[in-house]
Amino acid sequence: GIQVEQSPPDLILQEGANSTLRCNFSDSVNNLQWFHQNPWGQLINLFYIPSGTKQNGRLSATTVATERYSLLYISSSQTTDSGVYFCAVEPADYKLSFGAGTTVTVRA
Amino acid sequence: KAGVTQTPRYLIKTRGQQVTLSCSPISGHRSVSWYQQTPGQGLQFLFEYFSETQRNKGNFPGRFSGRQFSNSRSEMNVSTLELGDSALYLCASSPGPTGSGNTIYFGEGSWLTVV
Repeated sequence: GIQVEQSPPDLILQEGANSTLRCNFSDSVNNLQWFHQNPWGQLINLFYIPSGTKQNGRLSATTVATERYSLLYISSSQTTDSGVYFCAVEPADYKLSFGAGTTVTVRA
Repeated sequence: KAGVTQTPRYLIKTRGQQVTLSCSPISGHRSVSWYQQTPGQGLQFLFEYFSETQRNKGNFPGRFSGRQFSNSRSEMNVSTLELGDSALYLCASSPGPTGSGNTIYFGEGSWLTVV
């Protein structure tokens, strides 16, 4: 099956800092989504981004499908940004595949 | 609009028992998919239902099964529970099936502990 790799696995930030999370995938995909998992376990959809760039407040994402990667940018980080960020891709077999996640800790 | 609702939120079962988890999708959504999350294996796709039909199934043994009702509510069942089935089970819904370009929305999950 498709391989989805996220980096870095862990990220510690000072409040106000910017950061970039990366998602690489091993095969072509129909779409790609970014999620944030809150401390209670719920996955919150951040972006549906099969290609191109999108922005939502302090968050933005870029997917370069031809090069099989996506980036999630967090600007001016806040403590509420802490949690695990997952990249999920939809390959040709339509079985959504997740990366292992990036655990972000934002310190005040 | 209410979100995806999963019940029960927490449960403890004994090895060998079976468990049924329920998922009510967002109103109007006809696709429901299920995922298992464990510390060792991460998030893994279990199955997807659309209009009461199983569209896709992940690499899980036959002990894991599911169904979808005419009102789009879905249940998943795990029989003959093993310790390794302890996990967070997440349900997600979307207006259309995977591949139709829809964002998926997750519920809060059901935490299953097998002792």
